[in-house]
Amino acid sequence: KQEVTQIPAALSVPEGENLVLNCSFTDSAIYNLQWFRQDPGKGLTSLLLIQSSQREQTSGRLNASLDKSSGRSTLYIAASQPGDSATYLCAVTKTSGSRLTFGEGTQLTVNP
Amino acid sequence: GAGVSQSPRYKVAKRGQDVALRCDPISGHVSLFWYQQALGQGPEFLTYFQNEAQLDKSGLPSDRFFAERPEGSVSTLKIQRTQQEDSAVYLCASSPRRTLQGARTGELFFGEGSRLTVL
Repeated sequence: KQEVTQIPAALSVPEGENLVLNCSFTDSAIYNLQWFRQDPGKGLTSLLLIQSSQREQTSGRLNASLDKSSGRSTLYIAASQPGDSATYLCAVTKTSGSRLTFGEGTQLTVNP
Repeated sequence: GAGVSQSPRYKVAKRGQDVALRCDPISGHVSLFWYQQALGQGPEFLTYFQNEAQLDKSGLPSDRFFAERPEGSVSTLKIQRTQQEDSAVYLCASSPRRTLQGARTGELFFGEGSRLTVL
């Protein structure tokens, strides 16, 4: 059974700092990996999706990398801002592409 | 509407009551997913529809849970004889793709969820 783990569970940083969120998964037979953002009481917003054949994806201040063979992904956030405060979830797609398996998330707080 | 709409946003039920949660996906989206998110946890897959066909219901935790999408648009998740462990946020998501294999960033849209509290 695929298991996804995210470290750390919570992170608090001062504004402007660069930071890295980690995600690991136990079964490397994945189609893709996604990073999502979830604000309190809200649904999930897709940030970046990396296909299994890709190594990284970038969008603005966000960069996600994927090392499928070692079962790891990182989300790098440059020059963090208070508006980045949210829970960040990673999820992998496997098994006919019909379901996502999520990690438990990293709760990020960026302090002004 | 422009996004995935879920109702009710909040539902309080007494143990043993039946509840029905509704999801209005983005118009024309083929795929629809239901997830259950307990407090402080990541979402857990419940079931998946491609149009009106329920192709995967392996995540439904018991036979008290039932989902349908009879006309391939609106979906309803029904929970019979609710129990306290059913308390969670139920998230619905839709996608224009038939499968998440080969998907790109931003092709999966989540609603804000229905928060169920069972007393």
